[in-house]
Amino acid sequence: NAGVMQNPRHLVRRRGQEARLRCSPMKGHSHVYWYRQLPEEGLKFMVYLQKENIIDESGMPKERFSAEFPKEGPSILRIQQVVRGDSAAYFCASSPSGQRGEKLFFGSGTQLSVL
Amino acid sequence: AQSVSQHNHHVILSEAASLELGCNYSYGGTVNLFWYVQYPGQHLQLLLKYFSGDPLVKGIKGFEAEFIKSKFSFNLRKPSVQWSDTAEYFCAVNAAGGYQKVTFGTGTKLQVIP
Repeated sequence: NAGVMQNPRHLVRRRGQEARLRCSPMKGHSHVYWYRQLPEEGLKFMVYLQKENIIDESGMPKERFSAEFPKEGPSILRIQQVVRGDSAAYFCASSPSGQRGEKLFFGSGTQLSVL
Repeated sequence: AQSVSQHNHHVILSEAASLELGCNYSYGGTVNLFWYVQYPGQHLQLLLKYFSGDPLVKGIKGFEAEFIKSKFSFNLRKPSVQWSDTAEYFCAVNAAGGYQKVTFGTGTKLQVIP
C-alpha cells in the first residue's frame, strides 16, 4: 500500500526557470494539501485541493505559483520564473475526505534548490 | 487566523531523561490539536491528536500530551526518552468545524544522547 509519493526528491533550477513538483496521494484519497518549509521555519500551508477543484489557496503567493489536481494523474505544484527565495522543501499531504481533524499522510517532500 | 508557537527550537537530552516540549496556539474557537514527528530521513507522521473529551491524550511510543484550554497549550511529554526518539516534532492546530486546514508550528529538534 503505497503512501503519498512525491517526485522528484530533489530539483535544481536556475533563476527564471520553471519548477514542477508532483504529488500522488494515497490510494483512495481525494484531498491534497501542499506545504512549504523554509529553513528554521515551520510548515507553511500553501493550498488545499480536491479533484479538479482548488478549495483554499490562501497560502499561495499571488504570482508565479499555481496548483492543480486533475481528474486523472497527480497533483502538480508549479512555480514559474523561480527565484532564490523559492528554495525550500515542499511537502504534499493527503487525506481521505478532508474532514476536520483527519489525519494527514505526508510524502517525503521535494527539495527545491534555485541557483 | 490560527497560529502555533513552539518555544524550544532545539532540545538535547540524555537517554532516560524526561521530555516536555511546549506548544501554544492562538485561536478563539474550538480547535483540534496534533503532534507530528519527523524522524531523520523519513516523512512526517502523526504522533497523537486531541479532538475532545479527556484533555490528556496518549499517543504512540509512550508519548502523551495535555490540552490546557485556559493556557491555550498542548505540551508533549514523555517520561523517559530513548535514542530512537531523536527527531523533529511539530505541533499543529486545526480550527474545528471547518475543513481540514492544519497550521504547524516551527518545530522542535530533539537530540537524545545515548
